[in-house]
Amino acid sequence: QVHLVQSGAEVKQPGSSVKVSCKASGGSFSDHATTWVRQVPGQGLEWMGRIIPMFGMTHYAQKFQGRVTVTADTSTSTAFLELRDLTSEDTADYYCARVETGHNYSWLDSWGQGTRVIVSS
Amino acid sequence: DIQMTQSPPSLSASVGDRVTITCRASQSISTYLNWYQHKPGKPPKVLIYGASNLQIGVPSRFSGSGSGTDFTLTISSLQPEDFATYFCQQTYRPPRITFGQGTRLEIK
Repeated sequence: QVHLVQSGAEVKQPGSSVKVSCKASGGSFSDHATTWVRQVPGQGLEWMGRIIPMFGMTHYAQKFQGRVTVTADTSTSTAFLELRDLTSEDTADYYCARVETGHNYSWLDSWGQGTRVIVSS
Repeated sequence: DIQMTQSPPSLSASVGDRVTITCRASQSISTYLNWYQHKPGKPPKVLIYGASNLQIGVPSRFSGSGSGTDFTLTISSLQPEDFATYFCQQTYRPPRITFGQGTRLEIK
């Protein structure tokens, strides 16, 4: 496992962008995928995208394609989620999580504490 | 996308009860199903991976079963620390994972 610490809560205006960070310590970062999910109040978790820091390889959910960018800085073991053109529907808790694999399966073995993003005018 | 339907949405139970939560996939996902526990103010914690494999450090009162489209998480004897929200996750087509809506387990 790895300890993931996310950046603090954000309040944003509609139409603006937000960038959330996720710093890893105490374990392997570069060779494990970091995934981003969010939870809109009253709803289940929703996958947004992920990156394999070692390769810079990214995948995004179709729903967010063109509006989201996931990056990583291997020198600081930090992953980033940027979401643009925010609307009130983007108000949610955003989580990073590390993907662990084994026995032909994958699961999210370490999670950040979550970052609340509120979009309001 | 593969849709995951979890039931019940909420559940009231007492310490010592046996509890079962179900998760149904919109298509067959073999055994690519994980279960998590989520307590307020804390990050989620994986309990079960691959439908039935207990994560290291998770108490043996938790168990998972199922394959194809229907899965269950069972807590054999509820403990006070088990009251939380539980959700399932499919990883059949990584990286495009999807989650169930969650089951809130409350004290009766």
